[in-house]
Amino acid sequence: NAGVTQTPKFQVLKTGQSMTLQCAQDMNHEYMSWYRQDPGMGLRLIHYSVGAGITDQGEVPNGYNVSRSTTEDFPLRLLSAAPSQTSVYFCASRDRGAEAFFGQGTRLTVV
Amino acid sequence: GQNIDQPTEMTATEGAIVQINCTYQTSGFNGLFWYQQHAGEAPTFLSYNVLDGLEEKGRFSSFLSRSKGYSYLLLKELQMKDSASYLCAVRDSGRGSTLGRLYFGRGTQLTVWP
Repeated sequence: NAGVTQTPKFQVLKTGQSMTLQCAQDMNHEYMSWYRQDPGMGLRLIHYSVGAGITDQGEVPNGYNVSRSTTEDFPLRLLSAAPSQTSVYFCASRDRGAEAFFGQGTRLTVV
Repeated sequence: GQNIDQPTEMTATEGAIVQINCTYQTSGFNGLFWYQQHAGEAPTFLSYNVLDGLEEKGRFSSFLSRSKGYSYLLLKELQMKDSASYLCAVRDSGRGSTLGRLYFGRGTQLTVWP
């Protein structure tokens, strides 16, 4: 059972570079989210989606874009990486009324 | 928005019982979750409360009082492997009845000593 798959697991970027973090789920879940986790800050919601073609902003959306063209995929794009975006990123998916399942995370360093 | 508060750190000894509290203020409430997260790993689901009262699941129990904006996670018969961060999360009402956003507290780091 694949569940929620995130790639890559680790990434180093230079300031100003762009990249896409991939997230795919095979559970046919409607709801997908992206979080970032920083020491002492807990998980903060970046963007979320309640279904294909529908996305909305979370608590800390600036500097990130998302799209949801299919139920399975929810990529997160960093437009112009900044050192403040150094973090661990988690993708999560869930079905109506149910608990969220998390991917294994992407550890991103921006230098 | 959401304001979720839980202690930063707790310690306990093997075999003991520990209670991790969580208080929240929310503009719309649609359930409270507890997750466990070991260092370097993804959070994993522990329990869910949407109605007042106690939910028991083996060594773990979770309690909710919606009127007080309060929940706790109770861990019994502590084991070394229970050393982890415990995250309290609140789901808001959102659009539709259950497709709400999930907001997390900062987590409580529990250390279990032998």
